Amino acid sequence: GESVGLHLPTLSVQEGDNSIINCAYSNSASDYFIWYKQESGKGPQFIIDIRSNMDKRQGQRVTVLLNKTVKHLSLQIAATQPGDSAVYFCAEKETSGSRLTFGEGTQLTVNP
Amino acid sequence: GAGVSQTPSNKVTEKGKYVELRCDPISGHTALYWYRQSLGQGPEFLIYFQGTGAADDSGLPNDRFFAVRPEGSVSTLKIQRTERGDSAVYLCASSILAPWSSTGELFFGEGSRLTVL
Repeated sequence: GESVGLHLPTLSVQEGDNSIINCAYSNSASDYFIWYKQESGKGPQFIIDIRSNMDKRQGQRVTVLLNKTVKHLSLQIAATQPGDSAVYFCAEKETSGSRLTFGEGTQLTVNP
Repeated sequence: GAGVSQTPSNKVTEKGKYVELRCDPISGHTALYWYRQSLGQGPEFLIYFQGTGAADDSGLPNDRFFAVRPEGSVSTLKIQRTERGDSAVYLCASSILAPWSSTGELFFGEGSRLTVL
């Protein structure tokens, strides 16, 4: 039978290319957003965060863009490397809340 | 160790049995979270501790699930009368302040994979 939940969105890129991973969120009260990277058999690892008073934030090789108008978040990875292959999750949190709510996840595969 | 430690890494049990999953957070982290992750899904919030008390347990799916943190450090997630649908990876995470430090980082352990036969 069909396995529910196994069909993650996937993105396949060549080594050295730039990657863009997208995420839509639904909670208008969310004011803090984080991208996590999860390798097989490991827990999620923090990549970069952004608060709702910003629309862009840059880290090392990564940039997060936030469009509150359409409730859209993206993660850009420059010069993607094989070590970037993983599942990437966006997560959101409300100011008054204590929990992170995770999105569906995107499987990134980097081909050498 | 420097990171969040979870034991056991794998647990196989039979339907109806009781299980305990342990989390040892990063030393000095006051906030501790339990999440559950099913295959191909994002982590799902279960419970959040600030110190010894459960500040938010609204994510626990039913009364078969319970968690404690008696001394404000190690936490145990307890599942009674396990069902096949409880099979998942149970993730623990900690952060230095609650709910969030200025860095916003939540450090996750590698999880305990529970399989209920």
